[in-house]
Amino acid sequence: EVQLVESGGGLIRPGGSLRLSCAASGFTVSSSYFIWVRQAPGKGLEWVSVLYSGASTYYPDSVKGRFTISRDNSKNTLDLQMNSLRADDTALYYCARLRSGWYSDAFDIWGRGTMVTVSS
Amino acid sequence: QSVLTQPPSVSGAPGQRVTISCTGSSSNIGAGYDIHWYRHLPGTAPKLLIYGNTNRPSGVPDRFTGSKSDTSASLAITGLQAEDEADYYCQSYDNGLSGYVFGTGTRVTVL
Repeated sequence: EVQLVESGGGLIRPGGSLRLSCAASGFTVSSSYFIWVRQAPGKGLEWVSVLYSGASTYYPDSVKGRFTISRDNSKNTLDLQMNSLRADDTALYYCARLRSGWYSDAFDIWGRGTMVTVSS
Repeated sequence: QSVLTQPPSVSGAPGQRVTISCTGSSSNIGAGYDIHWYRHLPGTAPKLLIYGNTNRPSGVPDRFTGSKSDTSASLAITGLQAEDEADYYCQSYDNGLSGYVFGTGTRVTVL
């Protein structure tokens, strides 16, 4: 079965770091493009990072310089390193796969999400 | 921030037809970028319903229809069923923001 499963969320103090992981099954991460999307409590969906071919990555201004997306081909996982966390980073974080190699295509496989809570 | 605007909620009786609008601008939908639609139940993985404005992935029933015009798009659900109760989001790409944009989300309620 093709699926994504996120892990690594939890409660972290402001200024702290957390690393999320997204395990893929049924396909290889090396040949796919990915996005991390978050949903703050009571809010809509917001993209926080995208990984295209090789190591081509992009971030919105809200997380640029603090978050880093990467893939581990040996583990078949997608990761999100989050540093200097703030209260407004509190959200449910989803990973998703881009349906094709075209950057404006849809995301066809999503995980169930992992919750990150930033609070003192 | 959400740059694609959707109505907060729509409702209908079983068997009826409902439509969800998604209004964008010249830097996303109006720039020719495709619109995609997702269904999301809290606690579950979002599900792709429509990609490339009008296309349904395998397994999505033809009760779901997407359309696009100028700077807006719509998702129509015909033959409304209880299982259609969920949140629905449109999504596209924005060249002004150089990134992905999602709609504000619409809660569908089956009366």
